Amino acid sequence: GENVEQHPSTLSVQEGDSAVIKCTYSDSASNYFPWYKQELGKRPQLIIDIRSNVGEKKDQRIAVTLNKTAKHFSLHITETQPEDSAVYFCAASLGRTGANNLFFGTGTRLTVIP
Amino acid sequence: GAGVSQSPSNKVTEKGKDVELRCDPISGHTALYWYRQSLGQGLEFLIYFQGNSAPDKSGLPSDRFSAERTGGSVSTLTIQRTQQEDSAVYLCASSLTSLSTEAFFGQGTRLTVV
Repeated sequence: GENVEQHPSTLSVQEGDSAVIKCTYSDSASNYFPWYKQELGKRPQLIIDIRSNVGEKKDQRIAVTLNKTAKHFSLHITETQPEDSAVYFCAASLGRTGANNLFFGTGTRLTVIP
Repeated sequence: GAGVSQSPSNKVTEKGKDVELRCDPISGHTALYWYRQSLGQGLEFLIYFQGNSAPDKSGLPSDRFSAERTGGSVSTLTIQRTQQEDSAVYLCASSLTSLSTEAFFGQGTRLTVV
C-alpha cells in the first residue's frame, strides 16, 4: 500500500516568514494529494489539494507543489501569521471510486512566533 | 446532516470491556473512513468503506477491532476486550466518490481505557 512520509515533524518560524512542509509518497499511481490543518482540539480540515495533472496550485498565502517524477509534494505558507499555528497533515490517494482511501503523513506541528 | 457526526464524543471504559463507536457521515457520501489519533500523533488509518463494503481493512490493528456499515450510511467501529493502548481519539471522515474526494472529518470520539 501507499506510504507517505512527512518532514519536518515540528517547525517554528517567525511571524511573516515562510514555512515549507515536505512529503513523499511511494505509490506512483496516487494522483490526489490533499493537505489538512488541525488546530488544537479540533478536527482536521482540508486547506488545499492538488491533482497529478498540475504541478502547482495557489490559494492566497498557501501553495502546494507536486513533483510526480520524484514522488514528492510540498506545502508552502507565506507571510505566516500566529493563526497558522497548527498541525498540518499531507495525504495521498488513488483518487478514484472504490480507491479513495487517504494515506496520511505523520503531521507537522507548525508554531508561528509573534 | 450538515456534517459528519460521531458519538459518543467521549467514552471512558474499563479494560476488557467492549465499546462501540458510531459515525454518521454526510448524507450522500458513499466513502467512509475510520482513523485513530493517539495523543500528539498522526492519523492512523483503520478501515475504509465504499458503500457497505470495506475494500481496505488493512489498518485494523488486531482482531479485536471490527467495523460495519449498513444502508450505505451509519458506521460503527467496535473494539472488543479493550486495552489501555486503545486509548486514542477515533476520527471518522466521509467523502463523495466522484472526482471531488475531499474528506470531511467528524469531531472524533475520545476513548479512554482505564
